[in-house]
Parts: sequence; structure tokens; C-alpha cells
Amino acid sequence: ETGVTQSPTHLIKTRGQQVTLRCSSQSGHNTVSWYQQALGQGPQFIFQYYREEENGRGNFPPRFSGLQFPNYSSELNVNALELDDSALYLCASTTGSRAQETQYFGPGTRLLVL
Amino acid sequence: RKEVEQDPGPFNVPEGATVAFNCTYSNSASQSFFWYRQDCRKEPKLLMSVYSSGNEDGRFTAQLNRASQYISLLIRDSKLSDSATYLCVVTLAGTALIFGKGTTLSVSS
Repeated sequence: ETGVTQSPTHLIKTRGQQVTLRCSSQSGHNTVSWYQQALGQGPQFIFQYYREEENGRGNFPPRFSGLQFPNYSSELNVNALELDDSALYLCASTTGSRAQETQYFGPGTRLLVL
Repeated sequence: RKEVEQDPGPFNVPEGATVAFNCTYSNSASQSFFWYRQDCRKEPKLLMSVYSSGNEDGRFTAQLNRASQYISLLIRDSKLSDSATYLCVVTLAGTALIFGKGTTLSVSS
């Protein structure tokens, strides 16, 4: 096990609703990244937080936002849900802010938007 | 053009076979290279990093050709437990892992 946990494991929402996904990093890891993996695709980078500050963002609209807390746990918030937001959402933690650092993924949250 | 391209497969091979996966990347400024493994409905896990000098980990050999912007993964003596999706990953100067769509391997007895 990687020591990275995510909640909830599964979630069903309807279009237009808002959702908050949570991630608890591995102990000692101060960096967390979030990825979206649609069915049949590779994970796509959403953003990264390093020491509670956003430290890089992928090609996702502003309705995708995040937070990192002093204990390095993290949240991903998605507003105004769309059908295409249905996906597996993965968080990954690491000890530094460089992509070369090994990232440890949580088991993911499966979101279905109806 | 996608940043990382892989043949999606599926590759269906018998136990004991040797199988090779290929991957190309579009950005010559890419800095780090990895293969990840993802089992069905599970999270991706790092299989191995890839270096220009090539590297081997047991039955797995990874190779990088920077001039051709090409990455490969060779699996020898395939096991049933090797059945998974193999994701080719590159990074640029920033913090994001850039994943390919993945190549599905199914090893049968």
C-alpha cells in the first residue's frame, strides 16, 4: 500500500451539482497532485499543491479548484458538474515539487455524473 | 498530436512469451521518463524509470532513445500476473506527469 487514502471511493452526482473529493497524503509528503482519468484514457494532470500553494495547473477550467491543508491533506472541488466530469479522480503525493520525485497514487474516487 | 502516444493494444500473449511496448513523445524538452502499471480499477503504480543507458529490473527492460523520442518496455517470460495496462509517462520541467493512454496486456495460460 502507498499510504495515500482517498474518500469517498464512489460518488454519484447530477449535472450542475458540486462535489468535494478528499485525499490524505503519505506521512512526510508535502506535495499532492490531482489527476482525472476518463474511461479508456491515461490520467490527465489537473493541478498540484506544494506547501499549501498551487504549484502548477493542467488544462482544466476554473470550476476545478483545490486546497491543501497544513497537515498536507488535500481537497479537489468541482463546481457545476458536467457529464464529461465522470471519471476516476486520483491524487498522488510526493516529498518534493519536482515531477522527477516518485509520486504515490491513492486508490482514487470514481465519480459518475448523471 | 498527443504528447505521449502508445499502441492501445490489447496485446494477447501466452505465458512465457516476450512482449514489447512502444511509446513516442512529442516534446523534445521532456526530462524524465517512466513506465507505470495499472491493474483493472486500481491506481497506477510506478514500474520503472527509463534512462538513455537502458535499465533492467528482472524480466523488465526499459529503453529510451532521445533522438527518436521513443521509449520502449520489454517483458520477457510473461506471467499471468503481468496482465495489466502499461502507461508510458514523461515529464517536462514542471510538476505534471504526462501519461499516454496505456497499452493493455493480457497473458493467458
